[in-house]
Amino acid sequence: GAVVSQHPSWVICKSGTSVKIECRSLDFQATTMFWYRQFPKQSLMLMATSNEGSKATYEQGVEKDKFLINHASLTLSTLTVTSAHPEDSSFYICSAKDRMDTEAFFGQGTRLTVV
Amino acid sequence: GQNIDQPTEMTATEGAIVQINCTYQTSGFNGLFWYQQHAGEAPTFLSYNVLDGLEEKGRFSSFLSRSKGYSYLLLKELQMKDSASYLCAAMDSNYQLIWGAGTKLIIKP
Repeated sequence: GAVVSQHPSWVICKSGTSVKIECRSLDFQATTMFWYRQFPKQSLMLMATSNEGSKATYEQGVEKDKFLINHASLTLSTLTVTSAHPEDSSFYICSAKDRMDTEAFFGQGTRLTVV
Repeated sequence: GQNIDQPTEMTATEGAIVQINCTYQTSGFNGLFWYQQHAGEAPTFLSYNVLDGLEEKGRFSSFLSRSKGYSYLLLKELQMKDSASYLCAAMDSNYQLIWGAGTKLIIKP
C-alpha cells in the first residue's frame, strides 16, 4: 500500500513554544490530507482537512490560528502548533489520499508533550 | 446528526472467534471502514465495505448491511497480537470519515 511518513514520532516542548509536524506521502500524490488529534482512550478527532494549494478547512472548535496547516505541495503537509500549552499534549495523526482513492493512508503519528 | 456506535470493550479467548458490531448514522454513505489500532500507534487499515454482504480477508471478515446501518468485524482464530482497539468509521456524502470511539479487544490465554 501507499506510504505516508510523519515526523517527528514524538516531541517534548516547553509551554509557549511552537512545534511543526510534517506529513509526507512517499509514493503517491496526496491531493487531500487530514489531520487528527487523539487523546488517551478516545477516538480520532478530525481537526482539519487540507487540499493541495488551498486553505485548510477546520472543524468546529479547532482554532485555525493556533493549529496552522500548510499543504503547499502534493507530497507534503505540515501542522504547526503555535504557542503550545500542556492541554495541547496529545497524539497527532495525519492521513493522506489522492483523488482516485477512497482509502486514506495514515502516518505513524506524533506524540506531543508540552511541559 | 452523524453517529457511530460500537462497544467500548470486549474480551475473548485465544483461538476463539469474536464479532465486533458497529451501527452508524451518516449524511449520505460512501462506505464503512475498519481499522486496527495498537496503543500508541496510528490506525492500520483492515477492511472497506460499500456493498451489502460479507468480505473475507484471511482471519478477518467484515459485513455490511446498508439498510440497517450496521456492520461487524469478525476475527477468527484469535491471537494475542490481536489485542488492540478496533475503530469503525463511516464515510459520509462529503467523503469525510466519521469515527467511532473504538472497541478495545482484550485477548486472554
